[in-house]
Amino acid sequence: EDQVTQSPEALRLQEGESSSLNCSYTVSGLRGLFWYRQDPGKGPEFLFTLYSAGEEKEKERLKATLTKKESFLHITAPKPEDSATYLCAVRSTGNQFYFGTGTSLTVIP
Amino acid sequence: GAVVSQHPSWVICKSGTSVKIECRSLDFQATTMFWYRQFPKQSLMLMATSNEGSKATYEQGVEKDKFLINHASLTLSTLTVTSAHPEDSSFYICSAYGQGGLLSQPQHFGDGTRLSIL
Repeated sequence: EDQVTQSPEALRLQEGESSSLNCSYTVSGLRGLFWYRQDPGKGPEFLFTLYSAGEEKEKERLKATLTKKESFLHITAPKPEDSATYLCAVRSTGNQFYFGTGTSLTVIP
Repeated sequence: GAVVSQHPSWVICKSGTSVKIECRSLDFQATTMFWYRQFPKQSLMLMATSNEGSKATYEQGVEKDKFLINHASLTLSTLTVTSAHPEDSSFYICSAYGQGGLLSQPQHFGDGTRLSIL
């Protein structure tokens, strides 16, 4: 069964305390893995696309990596403004999208 | 690039009225658009998928007569909540993706519509 699982559900970090969010997936053929950020009362904001194992993408304090079974979103020296829910999604070769339930990140000043 | 505009952002109306929500792709052609519903502190719940010029495909449990979807052009899809009742109050989000290039395109999301039915 195709599915996406994100962990942890919630994460509290002190400002400057680096950590990683996990997205595990099982899908019959991966066309792409996507990371989004969602702020309360807003739609998800696209961050990264990863297509193949070994690929990495970076944007400011965020770095996304991909293996054949999972993706990590590394947050280096986070700031309070990085607080949000981070969603992971995959697109299968059958053109189906599967979303995880998200990780709610809180960065404490 | 890849901007999706959703309108209105917030609507309050009386029970029994119908409400239309628009979703536009501003700088790309969206062959496929999606409509989601999101409850507080929960993830996205896919309601339906629409392809330009064809009928929408609804997820199990979603009433197609209650939630009318029209995708008449490559840049516009609308969701009409017919005869809305308080239990239809929710946050509705649309998304779209195009078919450009060899690589898989992500979904790009609108900013959502907060619907409150009194």
